[in-house]
Amino acid sequence: DIQMTQSPSSLSASVGDRVTITCRASQSIKIYLNWYQQTPGKAPKLLISAASSLQRGVPSRFSGSGSETHFTLTISSLEPEDSATYYCQQTSSPPQTFGQGTKLEIK
Amino acid sequence: QVQLQQWGAGLLKPSETLSLTCAVYGGSLSGHYWTWIRQPPGKGLEWIGEVHHGGRTNYNPSLKSRVTISIDTSKNQFSLNLSSVTAADTAVYFCTRVTLGFCSASNCHAIGGSEFWGQGTLVTVSS
Repeated sequence: DIQMTQSPSSLSASVGDRVTITCRASQSIKIYLNWYQQTPGKAPKLLISAASSLQRGVPSRFSGSGSETHFTLTISSLEPEDSATYYCQQTSSPPQTFGQGTKLEIK
Repeated sequence: QVQLQQWGAGLLKPSETLSLTCAVYGGSLSGHYWTWIRQPPGKGLEWIGEVHHGGRTNYNPSLKSRVTISIDTSKNQFSLNLSSVTAADTAVYFCTRVTLGFCSASNCHAIGGSEFWGQGTLVTVSS
């Protein structure tokens, strides 16, 4: 199985801050990397697919980049509603695997 | 707008079989991959497996001996069966839809993200 490692596991930032979350794959996954946002009690929401393709309706302050084994999710200017847990997911080959999650708290 | 609505028993005893069904509204099963993902309380996400609208399946090897995902095009539904459950199978189970897939000579699998999700079903395994 391809292992996905996210960092940091948690972070605290202020409204307006720029935040970056990193996801590393144990082997090349090309660009088959997705990012999700999950708030408590809700299903995850797909933010970005194929490493950098923003889903319709997702604010443009979210962006993704990377390829092969190193990927990043960036929130350019934090809003209060961005408080959530973020997960990366590789879909390069089954079984699909997720990072362990990054819990983002707004100060 | 596509909606996924899932249901099934929420409390099981060890060794019983978990059965969940996901109905698709506002869209067809055709052309998509349909997946099950679970999340133990307070923990991360685990992919269980997927079924293509044509019936091909891929499963997580960690669960493969116990899991069956099937599709019923006549009812626009797909289902998850997980046998011989234990407390370790206690989780919220989600059904999802993925559109983008890839086929090699030997297999087809989803490569896109899960665009639509069911509401989640908490399944608790306890004696």
